[in-house]
Order: sequence, then structure tokens, then C-alpha cells
Amino acid sequence: SQQGEEDPQALSIQEGENATMNCSYKTSINNLQWYRQNSGRGLVHLILIRSNEREKHSGRLRVTLDTSKKSSSLLITASRAADTASYFCATPPDSSYKLIFGSGTRLLVRP
Amino acid sequence: DVKVTQSSRYLVKRTGEKVFLECVQDMDHENMFWYRQDPGLGLRLIYFSYDVKMKEKGDIPEGYSVSREKKERFSLILESASTNQTSMYLCASSGLPYEQYFGPGTRLTVT
Repeated sequence: SQQGEEDPQALSIQEGENATMNCSYKTSINNLQWYRQNSGRGLVHLILIRSNEREKHSGRLRVTLDTSKKSSSLLITASRAADTASYFCATPPDSSYKLIFGSGTRLLVRP
Repeated sequence: DVKVTQSSRYLVKRTGEKVFLECVQDMDHENMFWYRQDPGLGLRLIYFSYDVKMKEKGDIPEGYSVSREKKERFSLILESASTNQTSMYLCASSGLPYEQYFGPGTRLTVT
């Protein structure tokens, strides 16, 4: 079964708007990661947030983590057409070096 | 920058053929991974390796084997390709038990 589940499955917004994606997970974690995948390509690591952190920023990305609710959100501010991609959350089960990926959110940013 | 390369972007093979997918990383990472990605099923871990000549099964190892003779190279082998192995195959590596770096992917079609 999936460790992480993203919500929504698909999101369509206008360029300049903000995009918010959510991820829920099932077991305890020591970190949570977000990845981006452009169509037909490999995944690119975006940001990692540790279990003792509540919020983290990287450029136009803002990630929050609520361990009590076992959930995380990824906010992309001032979106651009180039942000069109699928976004995945991933968590390491039992502090291992494996990752379990969620099913992803497909983001479309309309110019 | 970490670079992970995969031997082919696109590959077409016939049922019953033996197929080799190769992955090379240039960052001296200990851990390497093979995933397959299918619509609606997300990324699923096939095998991973945490050291030379060491390997562990992931979630869907059936029909696959792997080889890691050198630290930088991790090969995925389909002993006898079947049509249900048509998929996108993604290789990744990681140095710490944290972020993974992905190759561009190999889209394999088995006819």
C-alpha cells in the first residue's frame, strides 16, 4: 500500500496563482521529501523536511509538516508555466534509505 | 551536480528476450535503486542495492534480477521479457539515506 497519498490528483491553475498540494502518510517518519517529474522524465528532488521541522522554504516553494496529523503540504507561489509537472511526496519507512512514493499530483499551469 | 545516466531512453524488445537496463552514477553513492512507473500505480521499487554485490528485493521483484559488480553501476535484468513488463523504468542513487537522484528513465515496450 502507498505510504503517501497526494491530494488533489490533478490541479489546473492560471499562471501567477499559487498551487497547494497535500500529502498524507501512514507511519512515523524521520523526514518527508517532495519531488517533481516533468512528463516522460526522471524525478527531481525539490525539498526535504525533517520530522522536527514544521515549515521549510526554498525559493518559491514552501513545505509544511504536521506529524500529529501525518500530513504535509507543498505550496508553489506565483506559479509559472514551467511548473507544469507531477509532484510526489516520498517518505522513508522505518528510517531506512528506501523511499515510498505517493501517487502524485499532476499540476497544469496555464499561461 | 549528481549525474545518473541510463543506457537507453527508449527500448523495444520481443516477448521472451533477455533485457539489460544499465544505470551509472558518478557521485560515489552507496545506494542505488530500480523502480518502475505505471499510470495509476505510481513508482514501485523493484530492487535496491546498498553496497557492491549487495542487493535487496523491493516490492515487485518477480521477473527481475539485478547486478552490482561496481559501485557506480547497477543493472536491471529481465530474464525473459513479458508484455506486462512494458513500463517506464527509473534508476536512482543516494549517498545518505535521504534524497534520491534519478536518471532520465527508460521507456521499455515488450511486444
